[in-house]
Amino acid sequence: GAVVSQHPSWVICKSGTSVKIECRSLDFQATTMFWYRQFPKQSLMLMATSNEGSKATYEQGVEKDKFLINHASLTLSTLTVTSAHPEDSSFYICSARRGQNSYEQYFGPGTRLTVT
Amino acid sequence: EDQVTQSPEALRLQEGESSSLNCSYTVSGLRGLFWYRQDPGKGPEFLFTLYSAGEEKEKERLKATLTKKESFLHITAPKPEDSATYLCAVQATNFGNEKLTFGTGTRLTIIP
Repeated sequence: GAVVSQHPSWVICKSGTSVKIECRSLDFQATTMFWYRQFPKQSLMLMATSNEGSKATYEQGVEKDKFLINHASLTLSTLTVTSAHPEDSSFYICSARRGQNSYEQYFGPGTRLTVT
Repeated sequence: EDQVTQSPEALRLQEGESSSLNCSYTVSGLRGLFWYRQDPGKGPEFLFTLYSAGEEKEKERLKATLTKKESFLHITAPKPEDSATYLCAVQATNFGNEKLTFGTGTRLTIIP
């Protein structure tokens, strides 16, 4: 149990375009989902926390107008990188918390974004 | 500010050679310490959660322990398939905040 998927697994886009990444919990309902980014040989950095049906909470320094997060259902959260630039190229990983009685986060396989 | 430091950065072991990975942390109040395994180009895979000092958990060749300042991930008689980066993360007891603060990981290589 506790399987999280992401789509797409990799994407290449041109500078100035927008890209949407989907995160789904396949076998459980996730009231809370998280979005992280990871640069090569660096640790995961939390970007934002999203709760189903409410606005996401962004970490300090993360532009909420650039990284749009929508958590429309208990199994789906999306991250849209708007007007992407080369410096947005990174590995984006989502995670989901399973149930109300556990703080464990289960991660998706990640999405490699390259902006040219 | 919560901080996690993992050592060593990289570790090469012969197959069957046991060792330990270290995770030192500072946090205002610990809700939980988490260990993950990450393969190249993949998302982290959950291994263990530890909640209080003295707690231990085991899974196959891995055993995680926790003190008030650090956690160890002991690997016994490792196999080549145990090669991966092992990540440690802490979560503080801030109401409404479930942020995980990660270390930079230990890259483990098991040589056949």
